[in-house]
Amino acid sequence: EPEVTQTPSHQVTQMGQEVILRCVPISNHLYFYWYRQILGQKVEFLVSFYNNEISEKSEIFDDQFSVERPDGSNFTLKIRSTKLEDSAMYFCANRRLYGSEQYFGPGTRLTVT
Amino acid sequence: DQQVKQNSPSLSVQEGRISILNCDYTNSMFDYFLWYKKYPAEGPTFLISISSIKDKNEDGRFTVFLNKSAKHLSLHIVPSQPGDSAVYFCAAKSDSNYQLIWGAGTKLIIKP
Repeated sequence: EPEVTQTPSHQVTQMGQEVILRCVPISNHLYFYWYRQILGQKVEFLVSFYNNEISEKSEIFDDQFSVERPDGSNFTLKIRSTKLEDSAMYFCANRRLYGSEQYFGPGTRLTVT
Repeated sequence: DQQVKQNSPSLSVQEGRISILNCDYTNSMFDYFLWYKKYPAEGPTFLISISSIKDKNEDGRFTVFLNKSAKHLSLHIVPSQPGDSAVYFCAAKSDSNYQLIWGAGTKLIIKP
């Protein structure tokens, strides 16, 4: 069964540094998402991406965040200048064009020190 | 803004019995509801879903019930097995967008 993969599994970075989180979605899925979960809190929507464009984003997704599909397979989330409060699990998800079920990767644990 | 609420942070059930996980929502524009299961250090795994035009959907040991008038849904697991021990999240989406709005999760513990 196809799976969503994410790398790295754990990223430790210093405050102010840039990080790039990577996701390889399921191949025939066309909608892509990033969510995050701060320890002990709810899963929160960050952004959705379709046809090489952001289709929705939340208030969390400010100018420090960006997404792209650089090579048609990977889907990346970049945080330009990390803050302590960016420490969280970041989940990539994707779904088929017609369908509501989103399939999640295993997550990247980001620790900002 | 708690549009999706799971009021029980944890639930303990004897193996073999029925587990009932509850979820309430406030947004009447939600048209699709999903349940995800999450083990520690893993991503959420899709379990079962239901459209707002239905009131029940069944898949093996898992059944989801939707009561639109009460804005309430529940997930029934029967019989409960030790491998069902996990955190269960209720999520909802509206017809105008595809982001999922999540509940806080309920930790299900199946006792042997």
